[in-house]
Amino acid sequence: GEDVEQSLFLSVREGDSSVINCTYTDSSSTYLYWYKQEPGAGLQLLTYIFSNMDMKQDQRLTVLLNKKDKHLSLRIADTQTGDSAIYFCAAGAGSYQLTFGKGTKLSVIP
Amino acid sequence: NAGVTQTPKFQVLKTGQSMTLQCAQDMNHEYMSWYRQDPGMGLRLIHYSVGAGITDQGEVPNGYNVSRSTTEDFPLRLLSAAPSQTSVYFCASSYQSQETQYFGPGTRLLVL
Repeated sequence: GEDVEQSLFLSVREGDSSVINCTYTDSSSTYLYWYKQEPGAGLQLLTYIFSNMDMKQDQRLTVLLNKKDKHLSLRIADTQTGDSAIYFCAAGAGSYQLTFGKGTKLSVIP
Repeated sequence: NAGVTQTPKFQVLKTGQSMTLQCAQDMNHEYMSWYRQDPGMGLRLIHYSVGAGITDQGEVPNGYNVSRSTTEDFPLRLLSAAPSQTSVYFCASSYQSQETQYFGPGTRLLVL
């Protein structure tokens, strides 16, 4: 089955860029997502990319996909304290059957 | 639209008790899923459904039952609760497999 790996912690200073990395193992995963979870809350979809794309930009968010290496990254420009949260990478052949990484806790230092 | 709703928000059970976690969506979504979230484990898929009357197992189905009699509802049943089922449970739905999933607010379950 699919396995999704991501680093557990990332700390950045306010105003810097954050880059959260993720790797997956199943090359048939066509749907790749980034979710944000704030303490005590559910998951909020941030952005997604399909496997036929290399890059997707949405305001401060940039997603890069390297299909050959099965590597996905999320870049947050001008990181703010409100960006502090846990970020989950998820991959799968369908949106309803996703495998999630363990989450990266992003801490933003004022 | 209310989106995806889950009840209860919090529940305490004793080992061996049974209960049903409710999930409902009012977006006419075909696809619904149940996940559990444990510390350091991310989310793991328990069961999913691609339409009324159709369900299938995910990664960690043991100890849980589901049914999908209507498009709107997808309840998750614990037949005999165990401490290992202490977790936060999330329900999610999407219109089609190509669409993004919407998550409910979660149910925190503590089994003593």
